Amino acid sequence: QVLLVESGGGVVQPEKSLRLSCAASGFTFNGYGMHWVRQAPGKGLEWVAGTSFDGSKIHYTGSVKGRFTISRDNAKNMLYLEMNSLRPEDTAMYYCAKDKVIWGYGVNSYIDYWGQGTLVTVSS
Amino acid sequence: QSVLTQSPSVSGTPGQRVTISCSGSSSNIETYHVYWYQQFPGTAPQLLIYKNSQRPSGVPERFSGSRSGTSASLAISGLRSEDEAHYYCAAWDDSLSGWVFGGGTKLTVL
Repeated sequence: QVLLVESGGGVVQPEKSLRLSCAASGFTFNGYGMHWVRQAPGKGLEWVAGTSFDGSKIHYTGSVKGRFTISRDNAKNMLYLEMNSLRPEDTAMYYCAKDKVIWGYGVNSYIDYWGQGTLVTVSS
Repeated sequence: QSVLTQSPSVSGTPGQRVTISCSGSSSNIETYHVYWYQQFPGTAPQLLIYKNSQRPSGVPERFSGSRSGTSASLAISGLRSEDEAHYYCAAWDDSLSGWVFGGGTKLTVL
């Protein structure tokens, strides 16, 4: 069965950096697009970034462009999110999520599985 | 401010039928499929409806989705207490080149 396990969250000061990881298992990782979606406390879902199965297509939401970097290591079945220049408004639960369609991404697929999330708190 | 607009809350009594709406634009809902996710407190979202009206395996027939123009809706018939959760719509957005979500609708079963 699909398993996505996030790690790396914690409390960090504004302007500092943090790297989130997502360990994937139960499916052919190198065939699926992957995403990070966040949820601020008591708020709704916000898509943060996505990468195609081979990393050739990457997209970000506007508020994180230039600060966050999504990457993947298909040999290790790992997804990452490097977060720099963190702001209090980045405080959220960060979910790793998997695309449904093999070899698909973006309009050609959709998110079907989510991990349980890792909490990032940006505070001085 | 979410790109897709949902009513913050909806309520119903057991057995009733409720509808949750999702409003977007030509760059998302009018052009691309709509997806619905269900989220219980303290847990990760789960896919409820895909490609506007399709149900994944295991989702009861009580849940149905539709799309028309720049809007979409999720209907839940035969309301049950265990349906109490947050519901989010989502779609790909061409102008943003990314996924957009609605702000979520909290369903309360009275």
